[in-house]
Amino acid sequence: GNSVTQMEGPVTLSEEAFLTINCTYTATGYPSLFWYVQYPGEGLQLLLKATKADDKGSNKGFEATYRKETTSFHLEKGSVQVSDSAVYFCALKTGGSYIPTFGRGTSLIVHP
Amino acid sequence: DAGVIQSPRHEVTEMGQEVTLRCKPISGHNSLFWYRQTMMRGLELLIYFNNNVPIDDSGMPEDRFSAKMPNASFSTLKIQPSEPRDSAVYFCASSGTSGGYNEQFFGPGTRLTVL
Repeated sequence: GNSVTQMEGPVTLSEEAFLTINCTYTATGYPSLFWYVQYPGEGLQLLLKATKADDKGSNKGFEATYRKETTSFHLEKGSVQVSDSAVYFCALKTGGSYIPTFGRGTSLIVHP
Repeated sequence: DAGVIQSPRHEVTEMGQEVTLRCKPISGHNSLFWYRQTMMRGLELLIYFNNNVPIDDSGMPEDRFSAKMPNASFSTLKIQPSEPRDSAVYFCASSGTSGGYNEQFFGPGTRLTVL
């Protein structure tokens, strides 16, 4: 079956620090990969996605590259802001499955 | 586009009462999902509809939970009778293409507290 493993949080950083949140997956079939973000008191929203190997998804300064050889999709940002404090979810979806598989989420706390 | 709409945003009720949560998906989306989120268990899929038909309800905790989708623009999740352990945030999400690679669009959630 499909599964997603994320690094446990919380990740605590100072403003302008470099961010990496690790995500690895197992999938039957060829998955599309997603990062969702959940700000306090809100629902999840798509941050970025990649649909094939070596694709790089990017949005709001965040990036993630689809690495098929290492089955990974790590999220990175060069300089985090306080406003990036949120919970980040890695997810995958295969064409044969109607239902996406989510990781457990990683909480990010950015201090001024 | 108004996005996925959920109501109520907050619900406080007493144990044993019936609770009904409502969802309006994005127009044109044919897949609808109900999730529950708690600190202990994280994000759990409860049920999935495709073209208004329940496809997978294996995540529904027990018979106290039921969900319906009478038409493409409305779905309900009902808990009867409610218990304190049902306290959680319930999310509705919709997606444009079943079985495809499209992302999900989540509503703002309903925070349910059962006393």
